[in-house]
Amino acid sequence: GAVVSQHPSRVICKSGTSVKIECRSLDFQATTMFWYRQFPKQSLMLMATSNEGSKATYEQGVEKDKFLINHASLTLSTLTVTSAHPEDSSFYICSARDEGQGSDEQFFGPGTRLTVL
Amino acid sequence: GDSVTQMEGPVTLSEEAFLTINCTYTATGYPSLFWYVQYPGEGLQLLLKATKADDKGSNKGFEATYRKETTSFHLEKGSVQVSDSAVYFCALSDRGGGFKTIFGAGTRLFVKA
Repeated sequence: GAVVSQHPSRVICKSGTSVKIECRSLDFQATTMFWYRQFPKQSLMLMATSNEGSKATYEQGVEKDKFLINHASLTLSTLTVTSAHPEDSSFYICSARDEGQGSDEQFFGPGTRLTVL
Repeated sequence: GDSVTQMEGPVTLSEEAFLTINCTYTATGYPSLFWYVQYPGEGLQLLLKATKADDKGSNKGFEATYRKETTSFHLEKGSVQVSDSAVYFCALSDRGGGFKTIFGAGTRLFVKA
């Protein structure tokens, strides 16, 4: 099946710094990718839809100036957590659909665990 | 909007017991339904899926049938193993919703030897 990678898998940063997380579709192109956030022992909450070549669409309650999303190419989307604080510590997961297959199935990245000290 | 409701956990079973995790959904369109599994410290893996009414998804001994009349997609396995211990998420994806995936809250399964 299609593969989605994320980098880094784990990051620890100081409060006030910015962190960039990359999401790549390795063997397919994706005009749309999705970013989710998962708190410990909770479900995945959709943060935003990343659209190649245009602005991301954010879900209600998600600060777009804090979570910057850039979808620069058909295989890469980045999420930048700006001025991170401890409450931003979470597991961030991206997904993409292999549009060439015409399927509804999303392929998920392995996730990035962010810890803000 | 679309939503998914699944039974709360944790569910604790002995090895070889029968497993059922209930899942119901609400959707305005005709969604595809999924079960994902998340092992400790890992990302999501697709377990099985069904794209239309009466479809049965199956994988690794797990099964779920898309029941449009009851808007349900219950997960079953006849004989669980210790290695099945994980968190299971029911989810839907609707073409009308731009293929966003909506997840249930997740059900944690513990299987004892």
